[in-house]
Amino acid sequence: SYVLTQPPSVSVAPGQTARITCGGNNIGSKSVHWYQQKPGQAPVLVVYDDSDRPSGIPERFSGSNSGNTATLTISRVEAGDEADYYCQVWDSRGVFGGGTKLTVL
Amino acid sequence: EVQLVESGGGLVQPGRSLRLSCAASGFTFDDYAMHWVRQAPGKGLEWVSGISWNSGSIGYADSVKGRFTISRDNAKNSLYLQMNSLRAEDTALYYCAKDVGAAGTEWFDPWGQGTLVTVSS
Repeated sequence: SYVLTQPPSVSVAPGQTARITCGGNNIGSKSVHWYQQKPGQAPVLVVYDDSDRPSGIPERFSGSNSGNTATLTISRVEAGDEADYYCQVWDSRGVFGGGTKLTVL
Repeated sequence: EVQLVESGGGLVQPGRSLRLSCAASGFTFDDYAMHWVRQAPGKGLEWVSGISWNSGSIGYADSVKGRFTISRDNAKNSLYLQMNSLRAEDTALYYCAKDVGAAGTEWFDPWGQGTLVTVSS
């Protein structure tokens, strides 16, 4: 079965750029979607189809996907961005990465 | 506004059954595939099952195949998950999520708030 690998944690200072990676075999050939989950809340879609943003998601959130790694980039990080982030692809079934906890220092 | 409201969770003994429901509103339910995704306490997200708009395509995670059955009633705008032979490892918050397509192979947006299933004796 297809496996997505994320770092367990990423830390960044406010105003800096956070990059969260999602590794998978030839993931560049798949569409990658990203979800943000704050404590006690349901996940929210922040990026779909590698790099598109749903309405209402700040332009600070962007995505890229190539080779064996997809990346969610959050520019000018704010305290409110602190959350768990999950990547997801479809590989004959839904597949999620293990999640990355973003800590804003 | 799209709303997904799950219900049916609770405390159940190992080996018993439970049926979850998801009531949908704010969109044309039978235009979209739907999914169940779960999250064990303190753990990550796990896709459980998905169903296409007309129930013609259904899929399950290996961990629940043969024990869980997904279904939908388009006339009632409702999604269901029949869970049999429950195990302790099925303990999780179960989310209902709308696919953005009809086939069920896209992404999930939005999600409900979840219903908690606890399997314990």
